[in-house]
Parts: sequence; C-alpha cells; structure tokens
Amino acid sequence: QVQLKESGPGLVAPSQSLSITCTVSGFSLTDYGVSWIRQPPGKGLEWLGVIWGGGSTYYNSALKSRLSISKDNSKSQVFLKMNSLQTDDTAMYYCAKHSITTAMDYWGQGTSVTVSS
Amino acid sequence: DIVLTQSPASLAVSLGQRATISCRASESVDSYGNSFMHWYQQKPGQPPKLLIYRASNLESGIPARFSGSGSRTDFTLTINPVEADDVATYYCQQSNEDPYTFGGGTKLEIK
Repeated sequence: QVQLKESGPGLVAPSQSLSITCTVSGFSLTDYGVSWIRQPPGKGLEWLGVIWGGGSTYYNSALKSRLSISKDNSKSQVFLKMNSLQTDDTAMYYCAKHSITTAMDYWGQGTSVTVSS
Repeated sequence: DIVLTQSPASLAVSLGQRATISCRASESVDSYGNSFMHWYQQKPGQPPKLLIYRASNLESGIPARFSGSGSRTDFTLTINPVEADDVATYYCQQSNEDPYTFGGGTKLEIK
C-alpha cells in the first residue's frame, strides 16, 4: 500500500537551514510527483513545491529563493531543503503524492519543525 | 499566482442538514475540458484527506454525502446530510497552474 513518511530535525535555530526527508513506499517516484506542504500552528495549508517523476520542480513564488526539492529514485526518498529559517517557518511539514488527476491522494503524517534559539 | 477565496470561513450546521462551501478562483482553473480544483478534509491532528478531485469526482472510499460542482472560477463542496464525523476544516486547492495554491479553509461545526 502507498505510504509516505516525513523525517526532520524537530528544532532548528533561526537563520539556519532545514532538511526534511520523505520516504515513500508502494509507488515509484519515477511515475508520480510528490509535493511538500506546510501548516503553521492553527493556520491553513501552504503549498511549498513539487518534484515530478521526470525530475522537474516547481516552487511557491514567495519562497522560491529559499527552497530546493530533490529526490533519490533508487532510495524512494524526496528531500526538502529550506534556507534562512525564521520563527514564522515553524510548522508541520507534509509530503503528499500526486495522482494522475494531479490531486494529492496520499499524505504523510507530517513532521513538526520549530524554529527557535 | 491563482488566489483561492473560500467562504464562509466557518459555518455551523445541524445534523442531517446541508452544508455548502464555496471556493472562488482569481482566474480560471479549467484546461483541456477539466477543472483542476480539488477538495480536502482535515481533522485536528491529522493530515488532509482528498475528498473530491477535478471539481466533481468522488475519491474512492469517500461517502456519497460529499459532492463537488463548478467550473472555471466558481466551485462548491456540498455535504448532505451532515454527520457528526464531518466536523473538520475543508480546503480547496488548484493544480491548473504552478504554483499550486490552497484556499484559506472553512471550519465546519455542528449546531
């Protein structure tokens, strides 16, 4: 069955960078895209970016300069890297698989990231 | 970027009644004869769950009480009849154009 699981550092100091890994199973990263989405505490969902099966990437306009998404197809892992973190980057970070309809049909449980000194 | 405006921000509906949530896009999300608008349900402490894809298609395993309609810039999610388990926040999301965007969410409560 399809599963996605995020793993991250939990706590990041201000101005430092964030690296999160999404490990997937039940499908191939060469066939489907994976998006990253975040949700600050008590707030709505914010789409961060996507990496498609062929490797092309697209990013949130406001965060584009700070974001990088990559993957390792052989390890079934997708990576999110975000630079220059500030306190308002504190959020739950999710990865989600895209179906052929382009909707996000499977989601991970999320990994919580707190930016604090 | 396409801005999605959901209304209302919150609503309270009696059990067994109809709930209607609107999502308006700042530009059309239609391409190739499809509307690239999707709806998700999120309960506290859980990730979002896909309910409706491409405006009106019910995701597998989702009860038929949920339905979606609309095209181009105006979309609606309807829950009829509302059950206690439907208490959640609902989000629309477009995938017609990068960057993808979400609506601000609608919180459904029971009256």
